[in-house]
Amino acid sequence: AQSVSQHNHHVILSEAASLELGCNYSYGGTVNLFWYVQYPGQHLQLLLKYFSGDPLVKGIKGFEAEFIKSKFSFNLRKPSVQWSDTAEYFCAVELEGNNRLAFGKGNQVVVIP
Amino acid sequence: SQTIHQWPATLVQPVGSPLSLECTVEGTSNPNLYWYRQAAGRGLQLLFYSVGIGQISSEVPQNLSASRPQDRQFILSSKKLLLSDSGFYLCAWSGGDYGYTFGSGTRLTVV
Repeated sequence: AQSVSQHNHHVILSEAASLELGCNYSYGGTVNLFWYVQYPGQHLQLLLKYFSGDPLVKGIKGFEAEFIKSKFSFNLRKPSVQWSDTAEYFCAVELEGNNRLAFGKGNQVVVIP
Repeated sequence: SQTIHQWPATLVQPVGSPLSLECTVEGTSNPNLYWYRQAAGRGLQLLFYSVGIGQISSEVPQNLSASRPQDRQFILSSKKLLLSDSGFYLCAWSGGDYGYTFGSGTRLTVV
């Protein structure tokens, strides 16, 4: 079955540490890829997206993600996190032409000052 | 600019009561519209999506239904709520290169 996998649902790290969140999908065909963030008490916001072109995508707030087609992965990274990065992060995949977005279960990230 | 409105923000309803959640989009025409439910540790589950007026696709069998009476209006309904319908409901729209934009959500508690 088609799915989006995010591991390590709860991540706790200290400020200035590096963050990497994994995302793997099982869809065949061309995909569009997204990372969304939900800060406490706020609605979902788009961090970054990949449709085509350079597989290394830069997003807002210092985040980046790399699309590795051979590994069906779209991992999110930030070299140095801040307390304000405490949030839940969701990977999402759209099968091109499908008009539907499938989400992973999310990563709850807590950054300790 | 495009905006999406979703209300109410919170709702407490007794078991067996009806439900109606409304979502409207401004600043775009003929958007694709979606209803998602978010549960802790389970991510966002797509419930319904619509590519046009009166066109509704259901992703999972459930106690809920959706309708799109106007181009930019999407309604989530239930005739009789169950306890298991409690959750956080999100409306979203997509169109062109904008990707997907989500509303602020409705926290539904069925008691």
